[in-house]
Amino acid sequence: GQQLNQSPQSMFIQEGEDVSMNCTSSSIFNTWLWYKQDPGEGPVLLIALYKAGELTSNGRLTAQFGITRKDSFLNISASIPSDVGIYFCAGYNGGSQGNLIFGKGTKLSVKP
Amino acid sequence: DTGVSQDPRHKITKRGQNVTFRCDPISEHNRLYWYRQTLGQGPEFLTYFQNEAQLEKSRLLSDRFSAERPKGSFSTLEIQRTEQGDSAMYLCASSLLASTLYGYTFGSGTRLTVV
Repeated sequence: GQQLNQSPQSMFIQEGEDVSMNCTSSSIFNTWLWYKQDPGEGPVLLIALYKAGELTSNGRLTAQFGITRKDSFLNISASIPSDVGIYFCAGYNGGSQGNLIFGKGTKLSVKP
Repeated sequence: DTGVSQDPRHKITKRGQNVTFRCDPISEHNRLYWYRQTLGQGPEFLTYFQNEAQLEKSRLLSDRFSAERPKGSFSTLEIQRTEQGDSAMYLCASSLLASTLYGYTFGSGTRLTVV
């Protein structure tokens, strides 16, 4: 089945630093989504990308949908302690299903 | 509307027992999804409903698992004869058919521990 490779698995950064993480797939997706999950909670949608090449921002977050439709990246600028959590990419192929394929996550730790 | 609600938040059960979880979606959402998330992994799709019809089940949904959405509103997920491998977070999500992805909202999950 389809799999998403998300990297890095974990990051330890200093408050104020920028962060970059990415997701690659062996197959094409029509939509890429980025989620953040806090301990004991469900994933919360950060950014949705619907078109190849699309670059979208949400505050300090910027994400891009790769031209090949097989990859996406998420950048966080000027990190703050509340950015701590696990970030997941998810891909969607359209059609009638609506189920998402998730990566394994990038665990972000921010030192104040 | 406070979003997708799941109950209970935590469940500890002995191996071999049956458990049932409940999900209340966002009220106007006609699609409802169940996912399972194990430690260190992303959520994995189990099944979804459009109104009361269960339209897709993944291969992860063994015969011991059954899901219902009898009136097209809340849904239940039952696991019979639980095994230790069933220990996971069970997540529910809902969305509007017309905007399947934009409104795709997850609940806080039910954490199941089988001892």
